Amino acid sequence: NAGVTQTPKFQVLKTGQSMTLQCAQDMNHEYMSWYRQDPGMGLRLIHYSVGAGITDQGEVPNGYNVSRSTTEDFPLRLLSAAPSQTSVYFCASSYGGVTTEAFFGQGTRLTVV
Amino acid sequence: ILNVEQSPQSLHVQEGDSTNFTCSFPSSNFYALHWYRWETAKSPEALFVMTLNGDEKKKGRISATLNTKEGYSYLYIKGSQPEDSATYLCASPESTGNQFYFGTGTSLTVIP
Repeated sequence: NAGVTQTPKFQVLKTGQSMTLQCAQDMNHEYMSWYRQDPGMGLRLIHYSVGAGITDQGEVPNGYNVSRSTTEDFPLRLLSAAPSQTSVYFCASSYGGVTTEAFFGQGTRLTVV
Repeated sequence: ILNVEQSPQSLHVQEGDSTNFTCSFPSSNFYALHWYRWETAKSPEALFVMTLNGDEKKKGRISATLNTKEGYSYLYIKGSQPEDSATYLCASPESTGNQFYFGTGTSLTVIP
């Protein structure tokens, strides 16, 4: 079972460049989300989606865009990368609600120089 | 934003020792409490989902308790093994479950 597939695993960007982090899940989950992990901080929610065509902002959305055209895919776009976006990014999916467990991708380590 | 805190930040124990750590959350806005285990170079994996005051969950040597009135959950590991070495995360959602708030984690190292 593939679960949540996240690509790439590593990426180095120059300030001002754009890129898209890909996330796909094969569990037919309606809910998908993106988190960033920074040293000394918990996972912080960037954006989430409760179904195809529906997205909303999380705790730290600035500098990121998302879209959800299919149930399976939830890409995260950095339009103009900044050093402050250096982080480890995780995609997650679940059936939604307060009691369903989340399944996480392997993470993307992004460095912006 | 929910303030979810975990302590201690890190823990080193000898193989065979039992250990426990704490997750604190706002008791006034409680809907559920999730525990995850996160091994180095892997992705976080769900351990427990807890919802009721007094809940106790167990999976092998790992167990968890929940006190929603005072706003804390304990994770216990009995007879720690090197393979238990990981970061243990807790998270609490807001009412819709669309936003989860994570603690900073407790990093456990079990020394053989």
